[in-house]
Amino acid sequence: GAVVSQHPSWVICKSGTSVKIECRSLDFQATTMFWYRQFPKQSLMLMATSNEGSKATYEQGVEKDKFLINHASLTLSTLTVTSAHPEDSSFYICSARVGAGRGDGDQPQHFGDGTRLSIL
Amino acid sequence: LAKTTQPISMDSYEGQEVNITCSHNNIATNDYITWYQQFPSQGPRFIIQGYKTKVTNEVASLFIPADRKSSTLSLPRVSLSDTAVYYCLVGPHSGGYQKVTFGTGTKLQVIP
Repeated sequence: GAVVSQHPSWVICKSGTSVKIECRSLDFQATTMFWYRQFPKQSLMLMATSNEGSKATYEQGVEKDKFLINHASLTLSTLTVTSAHPEDSSFYICSARVGAGRGDGDQPQHFGDGTRLSIL
Repeated sequence: LAKTTQPISMDSYEGQEVNITCSHNNIATNDYITWYQQFPSQGPRFIIQGYKTKVTNEVASLFIPADRKSSTLSLPRVSLSDTAVYYCLVGPHSGGYQKVTFGTGTKLQVIP
């Protein structure tokens, strides 16, 4: 159980293109999803927290107009990298957590397999 | 958010037990300790989670002392496929919302 699916797994596109990445919780509902970015040989960096039905909360230094997040349902969050440039090339990973405020605070995050984004 | 400190890297021979320790001196009362494993070009995979004392599952054990300022992930009889980066996370709990920060992780290299 607790499977998170991320799509696409790999995308290459030209500079200036907008790219959408989907994150789905397949067998559970996720009120909260998280988006991370990881550069080679570095740790994961939290970009934003996505809450179903409300605006995402961005970490300091992350441009909200650059990285658009939509969490339209309890099983789907999307990250759109707008007008992508080579410096946006990275490994993007989403995670989702089971439950919210129902006494299940000890549930861990479950991660997708990531999306490798390469901007030419 | 509680900050974590782990060794950057560790080497171990196949078949040995590996213990990776994580320091989290400013852990909060409601924080849980979670360990993840990450292979290259993959998302982190949940290994084990605990709050205090000892937790064991089919792949690992987690030891947490009474003061909870550190924790130790124990991997019994590692194999080459256990070569990965291991992250210790400590996360707040508030109404079901859990935001965590990844530290540097420990790169474990298993040697034949």
